[in-house]
Amino acid sequence: AAGVIQSPRHLIKEKRETATLKCYPIPRHDTVYWYQQGPGQDPQFLISFYEKMQSDKGSIPDRFSAQQFSDYHSELNMSSLELGDSALYFCASSFFRKRAAKETQYFGPGTRLLVL
Amino acid sequence: AQKVTQAQTEISVVEKEDVTLDCVYETRDTTYYLFWYKQPPSGELVFLIRRNSFDEQNEISGRYSWNFQKSTSSFNFTITASQVVDSAVYFCALSEASGRDDKIIFGKGTRLHILP
Repeated sequence: AAGVIQSPRHLIKEKRETATLKCYPIPRHDTVYWYQQGPGQDPQFLISFYEKMQSDKGSIPDRFSAQQFSDYHSELNMSSLELGDSALYFCASSFFRKRAAKETQYFGPGTRLLVL
Repeated sequence: AQKVTQAQTEISVVEKEDVTLDCVYETRDTTYYLFWYKQPPSGELVFLIRRNSFDEQNEISGRYSWNFQKSTSSFNFTITASQVVDSAVYFCALSEASGRDDKIIFGKGTRLHILP
């Protein structure tokens, strides 16, 4: 079965550079979520989108922005990178149905970002 | 506020022993989901189980079993006859089951070492 695709899988950047992470949800899924997992930490929710609109926001720095496109893929843009942004970034997707129980979020393999 | 506590930071057991990972949660929601995820050294988040707050039946899947006790707000995970391949970080997690907010709140994780 198709899974969530994230690209790139690994990324190395210098301080103050920008980075763009991409997420391609499972076909038919309309909701995407971004999580950040620092070294030795648990994943922390950043932001989510449903039908191209932001649906929830967590502890996402102002230097980060994200959007969901008409084909439901999402991009996380990170500017003025700092050393502390080095982390594993997960994207998850689900299918939101208003009249049914919430669907399970399926996680992608993650993008490992290293800021030097 | 929602919170997940995994008191065991790290556990080491010898192969073939049984091991239980503890999870205690806090939420004001009456309906919610509980999860367990496995994160092997490769980094991906492997979904193990999702349990609805209305379903207190214990579940067994091969060597894995889960004990959900709403009265004590616990959702413990037991691995029977552990194997070296079970070595990983295990996360217990929680999310709302109603409304639009469905971000997943993770515990800090328990690092499990299975010694040969």
